Amino acid sequence: EAGVAQSPRYKIIEKRQSVAFWCNPISGHATLYWYQQILGQGPKLLIQFQNNGVVDDSQLPKDRFSAERLKGVDSTLKIQPAKLEDSAVYLCASSGLAGRPSDTQYFGPGTRLTVL
Amino acid sequence: GEDVEQSLFLSVREGDSSVINCTYTDSSSTYLYWYKQEPGAGLQLLTYIFSNMDMKQDQRLTVLLNKKDKHLSLRIADTQTGDSAIYFCAEKPSGGYNKLIFGAGTRLAVHP
Repeated sequence: EAGVAQSPRYKIIEKRQSVAFWCNPISGHATLYWYQQILGQGPKLLIQFQNNGVVDDSQLPKDRFSAERLKGVDSTLKIQPAKLEDSAVYLCASSGLAGRPSDTQYFGPGTRLTVL
Repeated sequence: GEDVEQSLFLSVREGDSSVINCTYTDSSSTYLYWYKQEPGAGLQLLTYIFSNMDMKQDQRLTVLLNKKDKHLSLRIADTQTGDSAIYFCAEKPSGGYNKLIFGAGTRLAVHP
């Protein structure tokens, strides 16, 4: 079974530029998550989708971050404009047992963003 | 509130056992997880335990849960150099949308 795919793996931009990340979850997984992992910290949930609807975006900085999952499969996360503090690894995860407590999340390799 | 704490670093000799500890704050957490992260890689699920269990064993891994003290530990028997990585503890609070709260991670270094 193929895992969660993410691209690009690395991105370097200057502050105030825009950037987009892409994620393709495990086939058949209805739930998709974007996490931000700042160096030396654990991942923090930014947004969670159930199919193509948002169920939790309480920690998404909505003035600069946006995400969509239009067809309920792959997803993009965008930052516009980027700030220095956005430098982090952006992890995508998916899970397949929607709403069940035993729903386990599987993570992709992440996109490492450096903002100069 | 929701918070997960771990010690930042652990060094062990190859062949010894490693014990990584974690404390969490949400007593309503349904599941607790251990993930492993190697350099440049995403998080790999190692094991998890349901909150009504005290212990779970899976090959070289043993998870102990003390719900009264909100303390979780991961024991790795016969630690190998390939076990060198960062280990994250995570809790899943009840009532959320399957949200995970992660600790900052424990870096395990295995030396000969």
